[in-house]
Amino acid sequence: DTGVSQDPRHKITKRGQNVTFRCDPISEHNRLYWYRQTLGQGPEFLTYFQNEAQLEKSRLLSDRFSAERPKGSFSTLEIQRTEQGDSAMYLCASSSELGNTIYFGEGSWLTVV
Amino acid sequence: GEDVEQSLFLSVREGDSSVINCTYTDSSSTYLYWYKQEPGAGLQLLTYIFSNMDMKQDQRLTVLLNKKDKHLSLRIADTQTGDSAIYFCAPLPGKLIFGQGTELSVKP
Repeated sequence: DTGVSQDPRHKITKRGQNVTFRCDPISEHNRLYWYRQTLGQGPEFLTYFQNEAQLEKSRLLSDRFSAERPKGSFSTLEIQRTEQGDSAMYLCASSSELGNTIYFGEGSWLTVV
Repeated sequence: GEDVEQSLFLSVREGDSSVINCTYTDSSSTYLYWYKQEPGAGLQLLTYIFSNMDMKQDQRLTVLLNKKDKHLSLRIADTQTGDSAIYFCAPLPGKLIFGQGTELSVKP
């Protein structure tokens, strides 16, 4: 098992463009989490899935953000009409349903210029 | 509401013990975690403790939990320069909640 994998690792985009990040969790982990982290801050919760069901969304997840996990395996996080304030690292994590070990990926850095 | 507080900075000498403290507000946390983050990297799971335990030891790491006071600490024995990083405690009331983290600086 190679751990939680995120792609791309770095993305530079122009304001107003759409971006999509992908997360492949550890196999057989049915919980998947998305977090956002800006410089000097701790990660902020965005949303999480159990299998394909999106169980909770933060109010940080505006209508420009959408996350999916269509088959209960990988997940995508799409940001539409990006703004400079979206510049951050987007972290994905996964765990089993028991939730006692939650592993993070290396993150996807987004820079909006 | 959900809140986690940690001191922002800690500086120790190589070979000393480091103690990083954390207070949290949500008493429904089932597990409480410690993560390490190096510059530009993701979060590395160091250890965790179940909420009905008061201590867990894992090699150089000792976690103490005072559930009544909602206080968690991480002790790193024989701190090395490679331990320099930001450390986050994160309780799990359904989802991980993070504070700003503690930046540990280890001086040779």
